[in-house]
Amino acid sequence: NAGVTQTPKFQVLKTGQSMTLQCAQDMNHEYMSWYRQDPGMGLRLIHYSVGAGITDQGEVPNGYNVSRSTTEDFPLRLLSAAPSQTSVYFCASSLFRGPLNTEAFFGQGTRLTVV
Amino acid sequence: SQQGEEDPQALSIQEGENATMNCSYKTSINNLQWYRQNSGRGLVHLILIRSNEREKHSGRLRVTLDTSKKSSSLLITASRAADTASYFCATDASDSWGKLQFGAGTQVVVTP
Repeated sequence: NAGVTQTPKFQVLKTGQSMTLQCAQDMNHEYMSWYRQDPGMGLRLIHYSVGAGITDQGEVPNGYNVSRSTTEDFPLRLLSAAPSQTSVYFCASSLFRGPLNTEAFFGQGTRLTVV
Repeated sequence: SQQGEEDPQALSIQEGENATMNCSYKTSINNLQWYRQNSGRGLVHLILIRSNEREKHSGRLRVTLDTSKKSSSLLITASRAADTASYFCATDASDSWGKLQFGAGTQVVVTP
C-alpha cells in the first residue's frame, strides 16, 4: 500500500518556467489537497479537491493551477515559476466526511527551488 | 493567516523526561489534529480529537482539548531520542471542512 506518492522529490526551475508536481493516492480518498511549507511557518493550503471534477482555492492559490480528473491523481501546475515559489510542497489525502472528517495522509514532499 | 499557534516554538529535553506543547486557535472547530514531521520528511498523523472530546490517549501521547479556551495540548511521556521532530497542530474548522489550518510548529529535541 503506497499511500500518497509525490514526484519529483527535488526540482530546480528557472524563473518563468512551468512544471507539474504529481500526486497520486491509492486509498480511494475523496479529499486531496496541496500545501506549501516555508521556513518557520506551518503548512499553508494552496488548492484542494473534494472529488473528481471538483477543485477550489485555498489560502495561497496565486500562481498555481490544479485539476482532478480521477480520484487517484491531483497534479499541481506552476504556470510561470517565481523565486517566491521556492518552498517544500506537500500533497495530502483523506476521507471526506464533513464534520466527521478523519486524519490526512501526507506525501514525502517536493523540494522546489526557483532561481 | 494561521489558525493554530504552537507554544513553545522550541523545546529541548533529555530522554525520559516529558514534553508538553500547546496549541491555540481562533475559530470553532470540528476536530484538532496533531502531526509529527521528522527533518526533511512528510507529516505523520499522531492523534485526532473531536470538538466533543476533552482528552485522548495513544501510547505515550496524551492530547487535551479545551474548546472554551480554544486550546489544546500534546504531552509526550518518557521521551526518546526518536521523538526528536517538529510537532504541528492543525484545525479542521466548522465552516470549512477538510481545509486544515496549521500552526508554525514546535521543534522538539530529545538528547540521550
